[in-house]
Amino acid sequence: QQQVKQSPQSLIVQKGGISIINCAYENTAFDYFPWYQQFPGKGPALLIAIRPDVSEKKEGRFTISFNKSAKQFSLHIMDSQPGDSATYFCAASIGGGSTLGRLYFGRGTQLTVWP
Amino acid sequence: DTEVTQTPKHLVMGMTNKKSLKCEQHMGHRAMYWYKQKAKKPPELMFVYSYEKLSINESVPSRFSPECPNSSLLNLHLHALQPEDSALYLCASSLKYSGSEQFFGPGTRLTVL
Repeated sequence: QQQVKQSPQSLIVQKGGISIINCAYENTAFDYFPWYQQFPGKGPALLIAIRPDVSEKKEGRFTISFNKSAKQFSLHIMDSQPGDSATYFCAASIGGGSTLGRLYFGRGTQLTVWP
Repeated sequence: DTEVTQTPKHLVMGMTNKKSLKCEQHMGHRAMYWYKQKAKKPPELMFVYSYEKLSINESVPSRFSPECPNSSLLNLHLHALQPEDSALYLCASSLKYSGSEQFFGPGTRLTVL
């Protein structure tokens, strides 16, 4: 059973546009939601993360929006650039209990930004 | 030093070989992880070490044997692998095993012939 559902599977955006990737979860015990960016042949890089006590977090062109009641969170990439073309994974984890620290990943979104 | 390093970058081995993957971090992190990643899939957790003790083994076959000699170093010993074990093997670390940010290394691309 997949703990975190991610959509879309692939996304094509024009340079300068906004890229939006969505994730949904069921387990209300999740209390940490990171996003990872991965380029081909490289390891995932932590991009931005949020905890459920805030509804939005912004770092540069990257923003996480978090809707606790809907159990959804999304990544927005403003002014998308060709260099943003990569695979993006959302994830969730629980800070305590027997599953503490384990990251549950979404299936990933392949983002392509056309110049 | 704010990164996780992995060696080698690439490894090709036969099914009868014995090899080891190495991971190192000098960020003072006390939790270290091994993941396996197949193409176009998310990383799959294999092992977790917390304070140099094995905390989680995700039912990984015994042909994979992890070792944590000290708080900065993590090894993965490989023996009698199968072609389906070919994948990107990722190491990660976090300050502690409690939902802290996990930082990944660049991975070792393993090919089993």
